[in-house]
Amino acid sequence: QAGLTQPPSVSKALRQTATLTCTGNSNNVGDQGAAWLQQHQDHPPKLLSYRDHNRPSGISERFSASRSGNTASLTIAGLQPEDEADYYCSAWDSSLSAWVFGGGTKLTVL
Amino acid sequence: QVHLEQSGAEVKKPGASVRVSCKASGYSFTGYLVHWVRQAPGQGLEWMGWITPNSGGTHFAQKFQGRVTMTRDTTISTAYMELSSLTSDDTAVYYCARDSESFDVWGQGTTVSVSS
Repeated sequence: QAGLTQPPSVSKALRQTATLTCTGNSNNVGDQGAAWLQQHQDHPPKLLSYRDHNRPSGISERFSASRSGNTASLTIAGLQPEDEADYYCSAWDSSLSAWVFGGGTKLTVL
Repeated sequence: QVHLEQSGAEVKKPGASVRVSCKASGYSFTGYLVHWVRQAPGQGLEWMGWITPNSGGTHFAQKFQGRVTMTRDTTISTAYMELSSLTSDDTAVYYCARDSESFDVWGQGTTVSVSS
C-alpha cells in the first residue's frame, strides 16, 4: 500500500537546525495531519508530535512540527548527538482505511 | 507509569503461526486502541491493524487480512496478535502501541524469526 515520502538521509552539524519533510496526499497528511516518531537503533519508536504540531509531555521544545498542505515537517533545533536517529512520519489514510508510514529519514549529526 | 510489556522472541518454521502478547499497565486498558506495527530487519515501520480492547473490534491492513487475528483478555489487560502461514518475509520485530493521540506508548518489541 502507498506510503508517505521521506528523504532517506539528512546530515547536519552539531548545534545546527535540521528540517525533515514528509510528503503525502489529500487523503492522509493533507486530511488528517501527521505524527512524527523517533527511533534509535534497537529501540522502539518514540512519539515526538501528533496531529501536525502537538508535542506529548516530556518532549523537548527543540522538536517542532508543522504542515503545509500535503507536506509535514519536523524541525529539530540545536542538534545534539542524541538526536542522531531514524525519524518516521505517519498518518491515517482515509482512502486506504489504514495508517501509513514514511520510509524514514536517518539523521546524522556531524 | 504507562507501560506495554511484550512476550519474548519466537523462532518459527515456514507455514507455522505465531502469537505475540502485549500486557498493559498503568492505565485503563479498555480506554484506548492497541495497534500492532512490525519492522523487518533494516526496514521501516509497517502498520498491521488495531484492536479496540473495550469491544474486541478489530481493523486490519488489507495486506494482512485473512492471516492476522487480534484478540484481547480484559481481565489481564493483555492484547494478542496472531499471524498465520508464516514465511521468511514475516521475519521482523513486532510492536504493540497504544493509541492516545497517535502511537503514544510502545512495547519493547518482539522478534519473530521465520526459518526452516
